[in-house]
Amino acid sequence: QQQVKQSPQSLIVQKGGIPIINCAYENTAFDYFPWYQQFPGKGPALLIAIRPDVSEKKEGRFTISFNKSAKQFSLHIMDSQPGDSATYFCGGGSNYKLTFGKGTLLTVNP
Amino acid sequence: NAGVTQTPKFRVLKTGQSMTLLCAQDMNHEYMYWYRQDPGMGLRLIHYSVGEGTTAKGEVPDGYNVSRLKKQNFLLGLESAAPSQTSVYFCASSYGPDSQETQYFGPGTRLLVL
Repeated sequence: QQQVKQSPQSLIVQKGGIPIINCAYENTAFDYFPWYQQFPGKGPALLIAIRPDVSEKKEGRFTISFNKSAKQFSLHIMDSQPGDSATYFCGGGSNYKLTFGKGTLLTVNP
Repeated sequence: NAGVTQTPKFRVLKTGQSMTLLCAQDMNHEYMYWYRQDPGMGLRLIHYSVGEGTTAKGEVPDGYNVSRLKKQNFLLGLESAAPSQTSVYFCASSYGPDSQETQYFGPGTRLLVL
């Protein structure tokens, strides 16, 4: 049972574009929805996170949009840069554990 | 602060061999986790620990054992390695019991089982 479904698997955009990565969850017990960023050869690192009582959160160029009724959330990257090229994982958290989506490989071309 | 460190960085094993992966954190975190990362599968939780002397099974625990004898260390053991255990293993730690706590990841251990 895949509790967090992430799409697309891969995404290519031009510099300045706005890539959008989507996630859908099944477990209504999730009370925390983070996005982690992973560069090649490195461990994942927290990028931004949201709680289910908030519909949107923005940190710099990164924005999470959250739709509790649809059980969906998404990551938007404004003015994307080649340095944003990485794998992005969404997650759902409950009982001090995280369940991750399968990841999206983002490539931002110069 | 080194954060979360993992030893070794890379290892090749033959089927049936055993090994232990070491994770250490210097942030005084209570919670520690072991994940495996496979292409197209994301990060899957193997085992986790909510404190010194405690361990629990995650999503994919079969073929692995863990121990948390010291708060700062979390060991992952493979008793009899199989090719299906070829993966990149990540350790993570977090401060407390809130699922909204940030998990800090180590750099990973790449394991190849022949």
